[in-house]
Amino acid sequence: AQKVTQAQTEISVVEKEDVTLDCVYETRDTTYYLFWYKQPPSGELVFLIRRNSFDEQNEISGRYSWNFQKSTSSFNFTITASQVVDSAVYFCALSEVRGNAGNMLTFGGGTRLMVKP
Amino acid sequence: ETGVTQSPTHLIKTRGQQVTLRCSSQSGHNTVSWYQQALGQGPQFIFQYYREEENGRGNFPPRFSGLQFPNYSSELNVNALELDDSALYLCASSTPASGAIEQFFGPGTRLTVL
Repeated sequence: AQKVTQAQTEISVVEKEDVTLDCVYETRDTTYYLFWYKQPPSGELVFLIRRNSFDEQNEISGRYSWNFQKSTSSFNFTITASQVVDSAVYFCALSEVRGNAGNMLTFGGGTRLMVKP
Repeated sequence: ETGVTQSPTHLIKTRGQQVTLRCSSQSGHNTVSWYQQALGQGPQFIFQYYREEENGRGNFPPRFSGLQFPNYSSELNVNALELDDSALYLCASSTPASGAIEQFFGPGTRLTVL
């Protein structure tokens, strides 16, 4: 069975600080995808980033970066120079690959990020 | 391009009643998935519909059922509502063009069961 764990339930930072959100996952699949989603107070899940299990290259996209380490089953997400608008609940998710029909997402419990001015 | 839409936005029902939630998928998306998100928790997969048939189901009882229509829109039906069914219900659509990997979520329907 797949499992995603986000140990940090709540993080509070001051604007312009860097913040890293941790994610650890479990899966028996050799091919899978990892995601980060943002959920602002409005409730809609906003897609941020995706990584497949074959690509451990870490990237930076604007103020976002991620660190995927297959050896430790971790997929951490960093926001550089945080802003008040970054305040939201962030979810890490894992997807098995089931072909064209689509893929079921297994979500972690979420990390609530509060960025104070 | 229209995104995923859901209706209604909010709904209040009493225990034992039945409810139908609706989802219109994003243009060109033929796969629809439903998730339940209880307060303070991550979303949990209910089921997925592909080409009008159920294609995968999470750990939810049979009183949770669904439909997908030829235009790929979908309904989630819940019978015999229980207090624990109170949650945000999220619909997500995906397209074969992306290998059905990326799921695009709607704004959700918040259901309250009294």
